[in-house]
Amino acid sequence: DAGVTQSPTHLIKTRGQQVTLRCSPKSGHDTVSWYQQALGQGPQFIFQYYEEEERQRGNFPDRFSGHQYPNYSSELNVNALLLGDSALYLCASSPDPSGANVLTFGAGSRLTVL
Amino acid sequence: QQQVKQSPQSLIVQKGGISIINCAYENTAFDYFPWYQQFPGKGPALLIAIRPDVSEKKEGRFTISFNKSAKQFSLHIMDSQPGDSATYFCAAKISGGYNKLIFGAGTRLAVHP
Repeated sequence: DAGVTQSPTHLIKTRGQQVTLRCSPKSGHDTVSWYQQALGQGPQFIFQYYEEEERQRGNFPDRFSGHQYPNYSSELNVNALLLGDSALYLCASSPDPSGANVLTFGAGSRLTVL
Repeated sequence: QQQVKQSPQSLIVQKGGISIINCAYENTAFDYFPWYQQFPGKGPALLIAIRPDVSEKKEGRFTISFNKSAKQFSLHIMDSQPGDSATYFCAAKISGGYNKLIFGAGTRLAVHP
């Protein structure tokens, strides 16, 4: 049973560019959350998607946007990249929006902005 | 008020020793406190969790102690092993806040043989 899968695993962009990160949730999970983990820090909540809608959002600017597809997979888009956007981006899935005790994280996509 | 403060930043323990990591919070609306373990190149994995109506929870070598009045909780790893070397994060969830977690900054644990 595959867990949460994310792609790409690593990528390098330059300032001002745009990036799209992808996530497939664990089988049986319909809710996807995205977190940003800067080097040496704990993950910070970006937003959560359920039923193809953004349900909750953390303190991130509008440059960060997302999407959820009918098959529950999700994308994270970041526009106008800044050096400070360099981080590990984690996708987490759960069987429902309140299932914190069964939140499963992927291995992440490491973004480097030059 | 939504912060979770974690200490120490790093910890070195000898094999067989006890590792203790502490976290403190301010928001009394938190209703779920998990601990996550993260190995290099991997995502965080749930280790053990507790709700505020319980003062202690034990799973194998891992124990959470919870002090509601002091707004503090801690992770104890008994008989620490080199394989426990990882970064540990405490976290908290606001009641009714879906599954948005507020994470501490992490503790890098090294268990020396």
